[in-house]
Amino acid sequence: GAGVSQSPRYKVAKRGQDVALRCDPISGHVSLFWYQQALGQGPEFLTYFQNEAQLDKSGLPSDRFFAERPEGSVSTLKIQRTQQEDSAVYLCASSLGEGSFSYEQYFGPGTRLTVT
Amino acid sequence: AQTVTQSQPEMSVQEAETVTLSCTYDTSENNYYLFWYKQPPSRQMILVIRQEAYKQQNATENRFSVNFQKAAKSFSLKISDSQLGDTAMYFCALPRRGSQGNLIFGKGTKLSVKP
Repeated sequence: GAGVSQSPRYKVAKRGQDVALRCDPISGHVSLFWYQQALGQGPEFLTYFQNEAQLDKSGLPSDRFFAERPEGSVSTLKIQRTQQEDSAVYLCASSLGEGSFSYEQYFGPGTRLTVT
Repeated sequence: AQTVTQSQPEMSVQEAETVTLSCTYDTSENNYYLFWYKQPPSRQMILVIRQEAYKQQNATENRFSVNFQKAAKSFSLKISDSQLGDTAMYFCALPRRGSQGNLIFGKGTKLSVKP
């Protein structure tokens, strides 16, 4: 079946613009994670959804970052008033289980955001 | 605090040879999982291998195996018979304690397999 997809793959935004990044998880996957990966670094956790409920947003770096998953499938990560430090690859991952650290996370290809 | 450390930023290996990537971690948990993920230049991260901490036997997946030393908190990845397609970034990862499974990643090791 289809894997995790993300769109757009590349996004260039001028500083101060708002952006929206989309994630389509694998059908039936309960858990959805967003990570931020700066150049040359490992991914860092941003937020977690179990179905439509956002259970953990402890990794969101500021109140300019907002995520939603209203119907428990597609998720959108929104960044308001983008800053240069927001430039990174944003990865989405989904997994079959809920709240279990044993389930494999399946990653999307990421959205590379460049803020100029 | 939980940490994951990969001390080899870059490594290279000749095709068909064996290479070992290092990872050390710190956690106060007794039962946990550890993962190695591969991120090829196209950037889609895929799971290579996972290890359950309570299992003494080292995990193996075809040419990939781990050397898990729980007391030393070491989790190295061995790639045998290296292939050109193994060229990628490799990340060691540990689920954050008390979370819903969100992963703490190391900084990664860039592996180049040379023909």
